[in-house]
Amino acid sequence: DTGVSQDPRHKITKRGQNVTFRCDPISEHNRLYWYRQTLGQGPEFLTYFQNEAQLEKSRLLSDRFSAERPKGSFSTLEIQRTEQGDSAMYLCASTPPTELYNEQFFGPGTRLTVL
Amino acid sequence: AQKITQTQPGMFVQEKEAVTLDCTYDTSDPSYGLFWYKQPSSGEMIFLIYQGSYDQQNATEGRYSLNFQKARKSANLVISASQLGDSAMYFCAMREGGNTGGFKTIFGAGTRLFVKA
Repeated sequence: DTGVSQDPRHKITKRGQNVTFRCDPISEHNRLYWYRQTLGQGPEFLTYFQNEAQLEKSRLLSDRFSAERPKGSFSTLEIQRTEQGDSAMYLCASTPPTELYNEQFFGPGTRLTVL
Repeated sequence: AQKITQTQPGMFVQEKEAVTLDCTYDTSDPSYGLFWYKQPSSGEMIFLIYQGSYDQQNATEGRYSLNFQKARKSANLVISASQLGDSAMYFCAMREGGNTGGFKTIFGAGTRLFVKA
């Protein structure tokens, strides 16, 4: 399978714990995006990378959130001191190195539940 | 600031009939892209159709067509000959052009489509 993959698919954690999610984009894609989707809403942009550089970060991304893409391939999203409001689906997407993309390729998402 | 508005939280359509899902957008960037995605109950985001701001013709992909009215800033999705499997959440989305340095995509709140047998 050469699509975008995310791990884990589901995560249940207790409030206050740290969690880390991983996204592996399609191999030739240089741009990677993280979104958060709460129930009944559209995905909300969190951040994106071009290669290893984090070029934009939403104000939704509080200090408890950090994302990395150290070698320009896979990316991790860490949430520290989780809160119940962090419960959501976290989606990763990637796009190829063209000037303007006409499709984002999404992974299956990681569903986070904070108890 | 860019914005996507989907005013129909839910829509019903009879199987085999056509349905239009509304989307309006707001941007000051002359270069942008408009997308529609389908999200079934299983959760995956399925790309349906794309329209570039400079494209002269409305985009079509099989049973999907995008009614692009640039002056009105609308990008409605038309699904022809609805099928039961079309029942899902549909999201309109917009990407601003790279010449502004932005590549992120913003999404509307979605429209849930119910196809009746």
